[in-house]
This record gives sequence, structure tokens and C-alpha cells, in this order.
Amino acid sequence: GDSVTQMEGPVTLSEEAFLTINCTYTATGYPSLFWYVQYPGEGLQLLLKATKADDKGSNKGFEATYRKETTSFHLEKGSVQVSDSAVYFCALSGGYSSASKIIFGSGTRLSIRP
Amino acid sequence: NAGVTQTPKFRVLKTGQSMTLLCAQDMNHEYMYWYRQDPGMGLRLIHYSVGEGTTAKGEVPDGYNVSRLKKQNFLLGLESAAPSQTSVYFCASSYSTGTSGGQQETQYFGPGTRLLVL
Repeated sequence: GDSVTQMEGPVTLSEEAFLTINCTYTATGYPSLFWYVQYPGEGLQLLLKATKADDKGSNKGFEATYRKETTSFHLEKGSVQVSDSAVYFCALSGGYSSASKIIFGSGTRLSIRP
Repeated sequence: NAGVTQTPKFRVLKTGQSMTLLCAQDMNHEYMYWYRQDPGMGLRLIHYSVGEGTTAKGEVPDGYNVSRLKKQNFLLGLESAAPSQTSVYFCASSYSTGTSGGQQETQYFGPGTRLLVL
């Protein structure tokens, strides 16, 4: 079935460092890909998404490009801030075995030091 | 718009007790979901609904029941709570594009219900 694998955390960086969180997926069909963020004590919220190959999603300085050839959707940010500390989830939907549902990765906890 | 709301925010139960978690959305979404989140395990889908009056099992449905009598509400029931059901429960909702391949729009999440079963 469809699945998402993302790098294990926790990831700890200094403020203004470059961030990459790796995400790869397995799916049949033409899934959409998402990054969700969960701040402490809150529910998940959409950070960005891409619906087809080579699309780039971006929001709040974060970017991710839908790479069908490598089945990846890595999250990047050029200069992280303390306020980016959160748990990040990669997800997919719309594959042939995940219709009507979103498949989430296990999450990566990010901590940013001042 | 309130978005997705969940009631209660926190609850403590004794083993064997029952309770119902309520999820409400005011975005006229067709799809609604219940997840549980446990440390190190991400989110796991319990049950979901693709429309009023319909429900389906997710990844971890055992010990839970759901009902979707109204489009805006999705109830999650625990008939006989067990310590293994201690978790944070999230409700989510979304539109459905209805295109081939099951393409789906963004899910909107509630703030969560923290449940402790003693």
C-alpha cells in the first residue's frame, strides 16, 4: 500500500541554519504530497502542498518540490528561526490505495536554538 | 468560522468507562476523520466518513465506534475504555475533489482531545 517515510528526529539546529527534512513516498497513481506542521499543544496545520510532479509548494520560507523520479518531497528552509520549532509531518493522498485518506509519515521534531 | 472544534479538551476515565468525543466543523466539508497520536508513532487513522450517514474503518478501529448523523458532526465513542486508549485524539475534515485517483483537498485539524485511561 501507499506509504511515507521521513527522517527520524529530533533535529536540532541553531537559528539561521539551513534546514532539510527528507521525505520519500511509495504510491501508485498520482498522489498529492503535503507537509503539515504541529506546534506544541496544537493540532496539525497545512504548511505546503504539491499536487503533481515538478510542482513546488512554498509557505513561510519553507519549500518542497514534488520529485516523481526520486519519489521524494524534501522540506527545506534557508534560515530557520526559533519559532519554527515544531513537529513536521510529510503526507500523501490520492494514491490508488489511499483514496479518501491521507497517509502520514511518523513526524520529525525540530528544535531551533537561539 | 470556528473551523474544526473538539469537545472535551481533556478527560480522565477509569478502565471500563465509556465516553463520546465530539467533533464539529462549520466548513461544509464532506469528509471527516478521527486520528490518534501516540509518541513516536505519528498519526493513525481510526475511522473516517466520506459523507453524512456513512463511516468506514481506518488503520486502528478496534475498541472505537463512530457516527455521522449530521454532516457537520462526527462522534467517536469508546464503549469500554482501556489504558491502551490513552492518547491524544484529533479530528479533521476536508472537501473531496471527486477526481479520479481519489485526489483530496487539505485536511483541517481540530485542537485535539487528551484522554487518559487509568
